[in-house]
Amino acid sequence: SSELTQDPAVSVALGQTVRITCQGDSLRTYFASWYQQKPGQAPVLVVFGENDRPSGIPDRFSGSSSGDTASLTITGAQAEDEGDYYCNSRDTSGNHLDFFGTGTKVTVL
Amino acid sequence: QITLKESGPTLLKPTQTLTLTCTVSGFSLDTSGMSVGWIRQPPGKALQWLALIYWNDYKLYNPSLKTRLTITKDTSRNQVVLTMTDMGPVDTATFYCARRRAGSSSPYFYYYMDVWGGGTTVTVSS
Repeated sequence: SSELTQDPAVSVALGQTVRITCQGDSLRTYFASWYQQKPGQAPVLVVFGENDRPSGIPDRFSGSSSGDTASLTITGAQAEDEGDYYCNSRDTSGNHLDFFGTGTKVTVL
Repeated sequence: QITLKESGPTLLKPTQTLTLTCTVSGFSLDTSGMSVGWIRQPPGKALQWLALIYWNDYKLYNPSLKTRLTITKDTSRNQVVLTMTDMGPVDTATFYCARRRAGSSSPYFYYYMDVWGGGTTVTVSS
C-alpha cells in the first residue's frame, strides 16, 4: 500500500501536548519517519525509527507506533513548533518506493 | 558537515525538459547503503516523493511519473541529477534532494531522509 493519511490540521495550547497521527497499511511493516516544515523552509527530520531523534531535535518530540498507525507527540508544545508535519514510509507492494503522508498543519495557540 | 544543494533552472516553458543537480558534500555517493532521493512540493501542497538512487546505481521511481523521470549520479563530482521530461504548469513546484538512510529495530525496518537541501523552485509557464 502507498497511502498515508494524516489529519489536515490540529491545534494545541502553548505548553500542552498534541499527538499527530499517520495511518496506512505500510506502517504495520515499517516505522514511519516524521518531518517538520516551516513556511518557506525545507523539511527537517524530527523523529525516525522506533523513537529516535536527530541531534538537535528537542526531546519534547517523540514517536510511537501501533498497528497501522504511527504517532508523533509533542509534549509541551512551543510556539516554534508551529508548522506542517509529514510522515513518511516505504510501500509494501514490493516496489520498495517511499511516499509521504498528506501532512498536518499544527497551530500553537 | 553534510550538505546537499539543488541547482537548476527556475523557469521553464511547457514541454521542456527539467534538469536538476544535487551537489552533496560530507559523504560519498558510493558508500555502501547510501542513497539520495528527490522530492517535490507544489505550492501549498504536500510533499511528493519522486525518485531515489542507491550507491550501487539501483534506481527507483514514483510509478505515476516513471515515464518522465531519470535519476543518475556522478560520484566523481558528488552529484545526483534528476531529469523530468515534458514539463507542464502542474509541475510547478519546489524540488528538494535529500540523503536517505536505513535502519532496523527488530522486527521492523525503517527509512528516513536525514539531511535535505534547501530546495529550488521551478516555475513552468508559457
